[in-house]
Amino acid sequence: QLQLQESGPGLVKPSETLSLTCTVSGDSISRSSHYWGWIRQPPGKGLEWIGNTYYTGSTYCNPSLKSRVTISVDTSKNQFSLRLSSVTAADTAVYYCARHSWVGGNHYFDYWGQGTLVTVSS
Amino acid sequence: QSVLTQPPSVSAAPGQKVTISCSGSSSNIVNNYASWYQQLPGTAPKLLIYEDNKRPSGIPDRFSGSKSGTSATLGITGLQTGDEADYYCGTWDSSLSTVVFGGGTKLTVL
Repeated sequence: QLQLQESGPGLVKPSETLSLTCTVSGDSISRSSHYWGWIRQPPGKGLEWIGNTYYTGSTYCNPSLKSRVTISVDTSKNQFSLRLSSVTAADTAVYYCARHSWVGGNHYFDYWGQGTLVTVSS
Repeated sequence: QSVLTQPPSVSAAPGQKVTISCSGSSSNIVNNYASWYQQLPGTAPKLLIYEDNKRPSGIPDRFSGSKSGTSATLGITGLQTGDEADYYCGTWDSSLSTVVFGGGTKLTVL
């Protein structure tokens, strides 16, 4: 059974960089035809796609966040990571990692991590 | 303001049927597949429907998806109290070059 687990600091200071890692078990990132992505949800609000990566290292990001987002993959550890720079209180959210199925205009997220709350505060 | 528009809330009695709409445009819903997610309180979203109307393994046939024009619709029959959750639609927006989600609909089973 495929499982994803987010890890990283739960508190980040304003203007600093948020860093999260997603560990995948039950599937090999390097042998998968899927993408691996990040989605966030501010408290009490809806979902926002951040971006994704493929095992080759190629990445795709939400244009609204692209200037601040770095997504990378480590196939040796079966992990992928998110870095979001220059954070503000508006970046406070539950961050989810998920497996992203993407074929043409068909996008969906079929496996999700449990999510991790990241609070931006001094 | 979400690119995809969902009603903030819907309600129905146990055993009844409910539909949740997701309204978009030619740059998203019309030309790309829709998916639907169920988010129970305090948990991660769960995929209910993909490719407009397909159910992943393990999702009961009480849940269905359809699409017509600029709108996608999630249907739930035989409502149960355990169906109380937030429901989100999602798709690709070709103009924005991003995955977009609806604002979510809170289902109350009275």
